[in-house]
Order: sequence, then C-alpha cells, then structure tokens
Amino acid sequence: EIVMTQSPATLSISPGERATLSCRASQSVSRHLAWYQQKPGQAPRLLMYGAATRATGIPARFSGSGSGTEFTLTISSLQSEDFAVYYCQQYHNWPPLTFGGGTKVEIK
Amino acid sequence: QVQLQESGPGLVKPSETLSLICTVSGGSISSYYWSWIRQPPGKGLEWIGYIDDSGSTNYNPSLKSRVTISVDTSKNHFSLKLSSVTAADTAVYHCARLGAVILTNWFDPWGQGTLVTVSS
Repeated sequence: EIVMTQSPATLSISPGERATLSCRASQSVSRHLAWYQQKPGQAPRLLMYGAATRATGIPARFSGSGSGTEFTLTISSLQSEDFAVYYCQQYHNWPPLTFGGGTKVEIK
Repeated sequence: QVQLQESGPGLVKPSETLSLICTVSGGSISSYYWSWIRQPPGKGLEWIGYIDDSGSTNYNPSLKSRVTISVDTSKNHFSLKLSSVTAADTAVYHCARLGAVILTNWFDPWGQGTLVTVSS
C-alpha cells in the first residue's frame, strides 16, 4: 500500500498570502496524484489531477507541481473561501486508493 | 451535472450490518466506477471500494472481508453493506464517482456524506 503523508497538518496564514502545501508518497506515483478541498460539513471537491491539471471551474490561483514522491499544492493569494482542509490522493498503484491525512488551512 | 446523495440509517448497533444507498442523478451510472469513501470524525479519508455498471467490484483489502457493494442500474443507485460493525466504523460515509479509464482514477463528484454512528 502506498502511504501518503501531508505537511504541515495545519497552516495558519493571512488572506492574500501564498500557501504552500506538501504531499509525499512512500513510493513513486509518477504524476498520478489528485488534490481535493473540503470545507466543514461539505463534500470534498476535486481541485487537481495529474498533479498539475486544474479541474473544471478551479481558479488559476491554485497550482500543483511535483512528480515521483514529492508534490506541492500552491494557492497564490489566499481568498476567504480557500480556508479549508486539503487532501492528496494517489491513483498510481492500487488497490487501495490512498489519501494523505490532510492539511488544514486556517486564518492567522 | 451529476449529483450523488447518500441515504440510510444514522445509527447502527455493534455487530450489525451498516447499509447505505447512493442515488445518482443527472447522469447514467454506466462508464464509470462508483465508489464509497469514509471519514471518521476529525480524521482523514479511507477508500472502501467501487463497483461498475456490470457489477464488478474492487475493495480495500483492509475491509474486504466485511464489505459488499452492489448496483441497481434500473434505479440508478448503488449500495454499501458493511458487516460486523464496531465503534471504529463510526464515520461520515461518502459516495463518489471514480474515473474508470486507467490512470484517471480520481473522485469527482462526491456526495455530501452521511454520518453513521455505531452504538448500542
């Protein structure tokens, strides 16, 4: 099973600042990585797939990078609606499909 | 656009079977995989398994002995059964559409989720 590890667990940041979230895989997943955003009481929403391709309707301030075992999700200028929990998920080698533990982006 | 909605009992007794249904609207159940994912309170996401429109399934090895996912294409819904539940199975259970083409296996969209509590 591929273990996904996200850091930091919590990111305290001010609106307008840049947020950088990390996701590490226990073995290479090539670029077969997705990112999701989840707000309290809501379903997760797909942000990225293929490590760097934005899903439909996702603003350009969200960008993804990385390959192999190290990945980054960057939010260039945080908006109020971006404060949420973010999860990564690998789909390179499964079953099982596996998720990271999440990074909570909170208002500083 | 496709929407998913979970339904089922919110309380299940220990050792009994958890049963949930996910109703798909706005699109056909064919050409994709249909999946269940759970999220214990305050914790991360765990994939449970998927089914396709022909009834082929694939389960998380950690839950395989207790999970059954089935599909009813005539009703455009699919179901989850998890047997012999314990308090550790308390979670919000989400259904989601999973890409069926190789290496397109991300989840989109998701249902809102339903909280199932295991307690006597």
